[in-house]
Amino acid sequence: AQSVTQPDIHITVSEGASLELRCNYSYGATPYLFWYVQSPGQGLQLLLKYFSGDTLVQGIKGFEAEFKRSQSSFNLRKPSVHWSDAAEYFCAVGAPRSGGGADGLTFGKGTHLIIQP
Amino acid sequence: DAGVIQSPRHEVTEMGQEVTLRCKPISGHDYLFWYRQTMMRGLELLIYFNNNVPIDDSGMPEDRFSAKMPNASFSTLKIQPSEPRDSAVYFCASSLAPYEQYFGPGTRLTVT
Repeated sequence: AQSVTQPDIHITVSEGASLELRCNYSYGATPYLFWYVQSPGQGLQLLLKYFSGDTLVQGIKGFEAEFKRSQSSFNLRKPSVHWSDAAEYFCAVGAPRSGGGADGLTFGKGTHLIIQP
Repeated sequence: DAGVIQSPRHEVTEMGQEVTLRCKPISGHDYLFWYRQTMMRGLELLIYFNNNVPIDDSGMPEDRFSAKMPNASFSTLKIQPSEPRDSAVYFCASSLAPYEQYFGPGTRLTVT
């Protein structure tokens, strides 16, 4: 079974500074990888996804993530954060099915991002 | 598109009562997922459906939990009887492409 680790429970960043949120996964092959964002009282919004191909993926809101197979990592980055980026960020992994199709995702525990003015 | 719709948004009930949570997936999506979010356990997959058929219910915590999908546009998650430890936010998600799941706003359940 797959698992996801987000080692940072909280991260505080100054507005305008760069951001990197860490995500490590455990899976026997290359999984499908996702980053979701959750604002207080809201559902989860998909930021970006990696299925295959280029290991640097671009997402919405200026976010990007890089898949590193050797490190089993999929870290999320943003060059300059805005106060509106304050939220909970979840990394998720999905196991590809041989016959195609979807499966349930395994989520990390999340990283709470705080933006300082 | 209206996105995934869940109702109610908030539910407060007493221990022992039956609770029914509802979900309307995005039109055309053929997968539907139910997740539960708690502080202690994070986000957990409870069950998912493909073309209205339950595929994996291994995450359903107990027999007190049941889920149905009578048609492509509606699903329910029922807890009977409810217990305080069932208090959580329950999310419904749907997808068409493999894994690209779209989440609803959630139902916050409080069992007293």
